[in-house]
Amino acid sequence: EAAVTQSPRNKVAVTGGKVTLSCNQTNNHNNMYWYRQDTGHGLRLIHYSYGAGSTEKGDIPDGYKASRPSQENFSLILELATPSQTSVYFCASGAGTGLNTGQLYFGEGSKLTVL
Amino acid sequence: GDSVTQTEGQVTVSESKSLIINCTYSATSIGYPNLFWYVRYPGEGLQLLLKVITAGQKGSSRGFEATYNKEATSFHLQKASVQESDSAVYYCALSDPSGSWQLIFGSGTQLTVMP
Repeated sequence: EAAVTQSPRNKVAVTGGKVTLSCNQTNNHNNMYWYRQDTGHGLRLIHYSYGAGSTEKGDIPDGYKASRPSQENFSLILELATPSQTSVYFCASGAGTGLNTGQLYFGEGSKLTVL
Repeated sequence: GDSVTQTEGQVTVSESKSLIINCTYSATSIGYPNLFWYVRYPGEGLQLLLKVITAGQKGSSRGFEATYNKEATSFHLQKASVQESDSAVYYCALSDPSGSWQLIFGSGTQLTVMP
């Protein structure tokens, strides 16, 4: 069974602090993604990656960095966290390209609260 | 840009009754986008429920059905008889080449099935 695991599952941070959300996948998928989910909004794409060493900006990248050191791991970094970044973050992996890009496998989500 | 609209944020249905969750989309591509329904059960990550890539076709899974209606730009999710275990959040999504095939999600519909 394909698996995507996120850590931490819950995090409380202070404004101005650094937060790192980690994601590990055992699917051997090339593509990995970070989304955030807020009430009233669909999942919005923050950063994604096509493979180790690559990161691409999604629709809402401001205030976030991403790192893909290996095929399995993809991190989302908030250098200076702000209350507006309070949200639930989802990591996903996918093998597809082109027409098959939309078939993704998601982690359980990481709830971040910035005070 | 592309967008997906789910008008109902919450739907409550009694067990064994029928269900319809509305989804309409707008896509900028001159071709037809791929359409998806994802589901998030409590405590779990999103998982693909069904996918349709050809206009006019129907997708089905776990008793749910959705028909790709290109004239109405709709992809409504239906089930003839819901069960309590269907309680979850349902997300409509699309991908198309103008957006590099990245998924665009609707805001989600929380389904509660009453026993």
